[in-house]
Amino acid sequence: EVQLLESGGGLVQPGGSLRLSCAASGFTFSSYAMTWVRQGPGKGLEWVSDITSSTGSTYYADSVKGRFTVSRDNSKNTLFLQMNSLRAEDTAVYYCAKSHQWLPFYFDLWGRGTLVTVSS
Amino acid sequence: EIVLTQSPGTLSLSPGERATLSCRASQSVSSNYLAWYQQKRGQAPRLLIYGASSRATGIPDRFSGSGSGTDFTLTISRLEPEDFAVYYCQQYGSSPLTFGGGTKVEIK
Repeated sequence: EVQLLESGGGLVQPGGSLRLSCAASGFTFSSYAMTWVRQGPGKGLEWVSDITSSTGSTYYADSVKGRFTVSRDNSKNTLFLQMNSLRAEDTAVYYCAKSHQWLPFYFDLWGRGTLVTVSS
Repeated sequence: EIVLTQSPGTLSLSPGERATLSCRASQSVSSNYLAWYQQKRGQAPRLLIYGASSRATGIPDRFSGSGSGTDFTLTISRLEPEDFAVYYCQQYGSSPLTFGGGTKVEIK
């Protein structure tokens, strides 16, 4: 079955760290760019970060640049998001999404999301 | 950064009616690289339309997309009960990728 499954979310204090994972199955993971998109409570979708398939080039929204790091392990079909120096405004459901091609593009497959809550 | 503005914020319609959703870009979207997604409460977004007008796999033909440049439209010809949801546009023609703020289609 073609699917993405996120994990690693939870409650963390401001200034803390969390590492999200996204396990992919049913498609050739290494051939596609992958993206993290988040959605704050009652809010719209916000692009967070991309990683291309081949070179592993990475891109970040200004709101997370310098705090978040995206990576991938093509041998394990897994995408990661290391989140440091977390803030209350990072509270959101984090989705991983598969791009339609090797560069960030439109997203034809989404995971169910994992909730990150930043609060003391 | 391309800012996408969706209107209206909320659309109140009855099943069987036609829905017209707008997405306006702050600058021209390269190659009409504009996608539409549907999100139901508690679910992940689902791709409906890409390239402004191409339906994704498995999407019913009551969903159609049109437009070019800075003005794009998603039309649902006859609303089915399962179509009441939030709809987002997204441009992927330039970096950073951006989403519109969404249009909620609710039952009148």
